[in-house]
Amino acid sequence: EIVLTQSPGTLSLSPGERATLSCRASQSVSSSYLAWYQQKPGQAPRLLISGASTRATGIPDRFSGSGSGTGFTLTISRLEPADFAVYYCQHYDTSRRTFGQGTKLEIK
Amino acid sequence: EVQLVESGGGLVQPGGSLRLSCAASGFTFRSYWMSWLRQAPGKGLEWVATTNNDGRKTYYVDSVKDRFTISRDNAKNSLDLQMNSLRPEDTAVYYCATEYWGTFDSWGQGTLVTVSS
Repeated sequence: EIVLTQSPGTLSLSPGERATLSCRASQSVSSSYLAWYQQKPGQAPRLLISGASTRATGIPDRFSGSGSGTGFTLTISRLEPADFAVYYCQHYDTSRRTFGQGTKLEIK
Repeated sequence: EVQLVESGGGLVQPGGSLRLSCAASGFTFRSYWMSWLRQAPGKGLEWVATTNNDGRKTYYVDSVKDRFTISRDNAKNSLDLQMNSLRPEDTAVYYCATEYWGTFDSWGQGTLVTVSS
């Protein structure tokens, strides 16, 4: 069973700064099946990135995803106030879907 | 515009049953795999179950196997989750979502299930 570990647990940054969120898999996974989601308080999650690096419809280009094998990264180039939220990575295989525990991005 | 609206949540005693429903609109429902996910209070996301587009294949997280059943009615554009033998640890907001190659691309707003005596 693949385990996804996200770091850091909490990231404190200011608007305009660059955010780098990490997702590490317990074994090598296909980047085709690695996704990132954003969740704001009281809201459903929203798909940001699929296939490790493909932005979902309507997602601004300040969000980018990268990585392969066991290490994946979500980068937000210039933080805006609306970007402060919880971010989850997620992996898919034939019989199960697994989420990381989340990274909370908070305003410093 | 894709719309997913969950219903059926509420308070149920341990050992009880509940049936959740998800009404879908704005897309060709019969073409999509569909899933249920949940989020316990203050916790992260957990995938619960998935059904393929014709309902003949289903997949479950180990903790709900033999207790929960996912099903769909393509004629009515609806997705259900029958939950039996409920436990306090099943307390969560339950979301339905479209699934495309393992990615959950549209989500409903969720329905709260509370298992407590």
